[in-house]
Amino acid sequence: AQKITQTQPGMFVQEKEAVTLDCTYDTSDPSYGLFWYKQPSSGEMIFLIYQGSYDQQNATEGRYSLNFQKARKSANLVISASQLGDSAMYFCAMREGWAGGYNKLIFGAGTRLAVHP
Amino acid sequence: DTGVSQNPRHKITKRGQNVTFRCDPISEHNRLYWYRQTLGQGPEFLTYFQNEAQLEKSRLLSDRFSAERPKGSFSTLEIQRTEQGDSAMYLCASSLDASGASYEQYFGPGTRLTVT
Repeated sequence: AQKITQTQPGMFVQEKEAVTLDCTYDTSDPSYGLFWYKQPSSGEMIFLIYQGSYDQQNATEGRYSLNFQKARKSANLVISASQLGDSAMYFCAMREGWAGGYNKLIFGAGTRLAVHP
Repeated sequence: DTGVSQNPRHKITKRGQNVTFRCDPISEHNRLYWYRQTLGQGPEFLTYFQNEAQLEKSRLLSDRFSAERPKGSFSTLEIQRTEQGDSAMYLCASSLDASGASYEQYFGPGTRLTVT
């Protein structure tokens, strides 16, 4: 069964430092996509970064990068140069199957990140 | 603002009452999703539309829940005979059907339902 595991309920980091949020997944489908979303206290889910299962290189979007280790089934999010505004819940999610097909997302339980000045 | 919008943002209702939520997706998106998020958890998939067709419903969606997308644009989610266990944030998301590698879903601000 498809599953996303985020083992860190809470993390804190000093402003301007880098932080890694862990995510492991389980699927038997060779084609899948991995997403990270940020959810601030306002509640809206904000898309951060995407990694496809066939992508050869790790995805990067500004200060966000995804450390994709396919053999370990992990997709950790790295936030560089943390800012106070990065304080939020972070969710890892997986789409199983071809991107143009069915798109249901399975989410992990989330990691609450606190950035300290 | 051309993002996903949801109304109302908050709804307090008494147990046994019916409630209806509305979602307006990004205009060019033909895929629409409903998720439910309870406190301290990640969102859970409820149902999915491609245009006006409802293609899948989760087992979480009991027969008290019904969703529609009559013209392939906005969608409504109705809960009949609400129960306290229905208290949650109901999130709507939309995505494009074609082009782009990720088909990322764009989420609305959610409707927080409290059943007393």
